[in-house]
Amino acid sequence: ILNVEQSPQSLHVQEGDSTNFTCSFPSSNFYALHWYRWETAKSPEALFVMTLNGDEKKKGRISATLNTKEGYSYLYIKGSQPEDSATYLCAFSNQAGTALIFGKGTTLSVSS
Amino acid sequence: DAGVIQSPRHEVTEMGQEVTLRCKPISGHNSLFWYRQTMMRGLELLIYFNNNVPIDDSGMPEDRFSAKMPNASFSTLKIQPSEPRDSAVYFCASKRGNQPQHFGDGTRLSIL
Repeated sequence: ILNVEQSPQSLHVQEGDSTNFTCSFPSSNFYALHWYRWETAKSPEALFVMTLNGDEKKKGRISATLNTKEGYSYLYIKGSQPEDSATYLCAFSNQAGTALIFGKGTTLSVSS
Repeated sequence: DAGVIQSPRHEVTEMGQEVTLRCKPISGHNSLFWYRQTMMRGLELLIYFNNNVPIDDSGMPEDRFSAKMPNASFSTLKIQPSEPRDSAVYFCASKRGNQPQHFGDGTRLSIL
C-alpha cells in the first residue's frame, strides 16, 4: 500500500513568520510529486510539480524541495501572510498515467 | 477558460434515494478523477478514467457506487441506494498528460 504522510497536521503562525512542512512518500518507483494549495470552501489548486531528485521550485514566497532518494519534500513559506492560510496537500505518483495518492494535508493558519 | 464544472454544488436527500453527481472536465484533458473528501480519511480517490476508459476503481467503496464516462466531456458518479455515511464532499478533477490536476468546486452531499 502506497502511503503519503504529511506533517505537521496543522500549525498556527504569526504574520511574518517563516514556516515549513514535510511530505514523506515511498522512495521506490518515484515518478512525480505535486503540491496543492486548498483554501476553505474552494477547490485544490496546483502549486508545483516536481520530478527530479534535487528539484527546487519557487512561486513568490512559497518554495519546495524534493529528495526522491530518501522520499521527502519540504514546502517553505517565507514571511507568512494571512492569505497563506489554507491546507497544503502533497500528492505522489509512481508512474506516468496513474492517479495521484494524496496526503491528508497540513493546515496552516496565519494570524495578523 | 472554463474549469472543471461539477453539478449540483449541494445535494440533500433522504437515505435510500439515488444520487447522481455530474462532472464536465476541461476540454482537451484526457484523464478524469473522482475523489471523496471526509474528515477522517482526507481526499480519497474513488475512480479514474484515461481517455474515457475506467482504469482503477479500487477506491469505490461498494457496489452502491458506480461511475461512467460516456464521452470525453462528461462523467457521472452514481450512488444507489444512498446511505448517511455517504455524506461528504465529492470532487472531480481532470488533467492532460502529466500536467497537474485541475479540480472542480465539489458537490457537498448530505444524506439524511
